[in-house]
Amino acid sequence: SAVISQKPSRDICQRGTSLTIQCQVDSQVTMMFWYRQQPGQSLTLIATANQGSEATYESGFVIDKFPISRPNLTFSTLTVSNMSPEDSSIYLCSVEVLADGGPAYEQYFGPGTRLTVT
Amino acid sequence: RKEVEQDPGPFNVPEGATVAFNCTYSNSASQSFFWYRQDCRKEPKLLMSVYSSGNEDGRFTAQLNRASQYISLLIRDSKLSDSATYLCVVIGNDYKLSFGAGTTVTVRA
Repeated sequence: SAVISQKPSRDICQRGTSLTIQCQVDSQVTMMFWYRQQPGQSLTLIATANQGSEATYESGFVIDKFPISRPNLTFSTLTVSNMSPEDSSIYLCSVEVLADGGPAYEQYFGPGTRLTVT
Repeated sequence: RKEVEQDPGPFNVPEGATVAFNCTYSNSASQSFFWYRQDCRKEPKLLMSVYSSGNEDGRFTAQLNRASQYISLLIRDSKLSDSATYLCVVIGNDYKLSFGAGTTVTVRA
């Protein structure tokens, strides 16, 4: 398993501003992911962040709006830029680790950042 | 058609009851399957992986039916603490996770 922390846990931001969310893992992982979960809905993958390369964005998400950094194997940031009320959501980072006994991989999630844009 | 579909519920059951629900997936080449539990305003937490032969963890039993493309979760002897939303997660042959919208279970005293 993996222990993941996120900062901030929640924030209320004004329209047009940007917020950077930090994700820290207690072990080195290759694959880190950023998800969004809007109220009452399931998780939507924003992008995959691998250390040493540019993040890979899913359809509907672009780097200008959601720039991601991955400076090392235990840390990543997601920035929500030029926010609008539609960006109000929970943002979660997750990591993929080898299951105990292998060979399959399992994903573990951070506690999430609850963002409200006014 | 959604890649992963779940009955949203809610399933309202008394303590001690057995509750079971399924999740269907559309990609026949899907490789891995999981059940996650998500409590209100919390992150999803891995409940169990689902193996081809089916697996059991205490009161929880998960099964995979590849022919009919569904996985199931059965909870025996329900506890109040089992109240949560259960998310079905499927990994396709592109190694990407697809999430179901979740099945809500409410266990009442």
